[in-house]
Amino acid sequence: GDSVTQMEGPVTLSEEAFLTINCTYTATGYPSLFWYVQYPGEGLQLLLKATKADDKGSNKGFEATYRKETTSFHLEKGSVQVSDSAVYFCALTNRGGGATNKLIFGTGTLLAVQP
Amino acid sequence: EAGVTQFPSHSVIEKGQTVTLRCDPISGHDNLYWYRRVMGKEIKFLLHFVKESKQDESGMPNNRFLAERTGGTYSTLKVQPAELEDSGVYFCASSQRGPDAFFGQGTRLTVV
Repeated sequence: GDSVTQMEGPVTLSEEAFLTINCTYTATGYPSLFWYVQYPGEGLQLLLKATKADDKGSNKGFEATYRKETTSFHLEKGSVQVSDSAVYFCALTNRGGGATNKLIFGTGTLLAVQP
Repeated sequence: EAGVTQFPSHSVIEKGQTVTLRCDPISGHDNLYWYRRVMGKEIKFLLHFVKESKQDESGMPNNRFLAERTGGTYSTLKVQPAELEDSGVYFCASSQRGPDAFFGQGTRLTVV
């Protein structure tokens, strides 16, 4: 079945460092890809998404490009801030022949940014 | 506009007891989803309502879990009787259409 694999955490960075969180997927057809973020004490928030190959999602300085050839959707940010400390989840939906838009998540990556 | 609201935020119960979790979706959202994250693992889909109908309940772990959405508004997820492995964070999400769902803060359930 469909699945998402993302890098193990925690990831600890200093402020202004470059961030990459790797995410690869296995899916039939043409899934949509997402990054969700969970800040401490809050619910999941959609950070960015891409719905077809070569699309780039971006938000709050974060970017991820839908790479069908490598089945990847790596999250990047050029300069992280302490306020970016959170758990990041990569996810996909794959409508296929069904009508549901259920999300399939990776295990989450904890990012800790130190001042 | 109010977001997705879940009650309670935390619940600690003994094995064998019953717990009911509630989710109030964003007004007007026909789609309502339940997910669960067991400690340190991935967030897993439980089920999907469209209005009051169960569209997909393939993720429900067993018959100790019962979800309802009477009237197509709020939803409840009952666990009866609770087991230790049911501990985790239960998330609810809603959407009007498409996959862009809004999530609640989750209910942290601890079964002791």
